[in-house]
Amino acid sequence: GQNIDQPTEMTATEGAIVQINCTYQTSGFNGLFWYQQHAGEAPTFLSYNVLDGLEEKGRFSSFLSRSKGYSYLLLKELQMKDSASYLCAAVEQAAGNKLTFGGGTRVLVKP
Amino acid sequence: DTGVSQDPRHKITKRGQNVTFRCDPISEHNRLYWYRQTLGQGPEFLTYFQNEAQLEKSRLLSDRFSAERPKGSFSTLEIQRTEQGDSAMYLCASSPPPGGTEAFFGQGTRLTVV
Repeated sequence: GQNIDQPTEMTATEGAIVQINCTYQTSGFNGLFWYQQHAGEAPTFLSYNVLDGLEEKGRFSSFLSRSKGYSYLLLKELQMKDSASYLCAAVEQAAGNKLTFGGGTRVLVKP
Repeated sequence: DTGVSQDPRHKITKRGQNVTFRCDPISEHNRLYWYRQTLGQGPEFLTYFQNEAQLEKSRLLSDRFSAERPKGSFSTLEIQRTEQGDSAMYLCASSPPPGGTEAFFGQGTRLTVV
């Protein structure tokens, strides 16, 4: 089984940087996803890390440390449209690559 | 658009009624997953198919729930004798072969049991 922990809510100012941490305990770990989800909509893919290190994609970056069971999502130059929930999800290879999600971090961007 | 399609988008039903949802995955994606998401929570895994074979079911999936993928293409999720606790967003996702890790999500079906 897997256990995923992430903060419930974070608030930041437009133009600032926010870092969302995620810790996981898992068996058969096969990588970690970050998804963005706006209210009432489906999750949309942001990033996937399977090896240790930082993956940068525009304003969003994601980091993984497999030895520490830790990941973070970094959102830079925050925009109002970034207000959403951010879901951390671990991939369990032994179970058909099913995803185990954390509870999501609601990010509120203020002007 | 060839993304994952779910139907209906919204369903309101009375307690005790049966409901069925449909998911059409991305063409040629052999893995199909069902998740359930309640307000303020992350999605929870329900079941998954590889082609037409249902390979795993979560303990969340009570006997009232059944899922099928008869020809390895679209899938249906049926809930019998619905209860208020079944109210949630039901999300379908698909992944490409040969063991793709990225799951592409549909827009979900929001079920409200009154």
